[in-house]
Amino acid sequence: DAGVIQSPRHEVTEMGQEVTLRCKPISGHDYLFWYRQTMMRGLELLIYFNNNVPIDDSGMPEDRFSAKMPNASFSTLKIQPSEPRDSAVYFCASSQGQPNTEAFFGQGTRLTVV
Amino acid sequence: AQSVTQPDIHITVSEGASLELRCNYSYGATPYLFWYVQSPGQGLQLLLKYFSGDTLVQGIKGFEAEFKRSQSSFNLRKPSVHWSDAAEYFCAVDSYSSASKIIFGSGTRLSIRP
Repeated sequence: DAGVIQSPRHEVTEMGQEVTLRCKPISGHDYLFWYRQTMMRGLELLIYFNNNVPIDDSGMPEDRFSAKMPNASFSTLKIQPSEPRDSAVYFCASSQGQPNTEAFFGQGTRLTVV
Repeated sequence: AQSVTQPDIHITVSEGASLELRCNYSYGATPYLFWYVQSPGQGLQLLLKYFSGDTLVQGIKGFEAEFKRSQSSFNLRKPSVHWSDAAEYFCAVDSYSSASKIIFGSGTRLSIRP
């Protein structure tokens, strides 16, 4: 397996534009996590899914953020409209969700909103 | 709710010296504990994990960690650091109560002095 795949690796967009980040988890993993990493706040869990169903979205900062997982092999994180303070690295991770397994991370998407 | 505290934001050690990075967690039961490493511009890589059994766990790259229930700690150690160990280190906890939910500490940046 190629691991968790995120796209794009880098995204630069203007304030007010819609941004969509994409993630392909490892095949067979039941859990998918979206994290945001900034210097000020570190790694924050935004939302996670189990079997394509959102379990906890309490970390989503505002209604401008939304995430979907239409099937087991694809998830999106959308920001609409984007703001400069959304600039961060967004990581997707997946796991089997069993007590003896860990999360595997993608390379991240570096988002810059100007 | 579970939480993870890494009290040291930045540590500098000399190459060849020993290393200990601190991690404390807050959770009612025994959590599942992890240490991840992040090199600049990269995603997170798992160093080691603890689920049960022997409280001293060995990981990759010569790292080990010891789970101490009485102190709610899971400190990471390495007897002799190498310049390539310079990175950001994250402690994480998964409560795995009703569902898997991985929470990260704020991270410790490790610099190596030649």
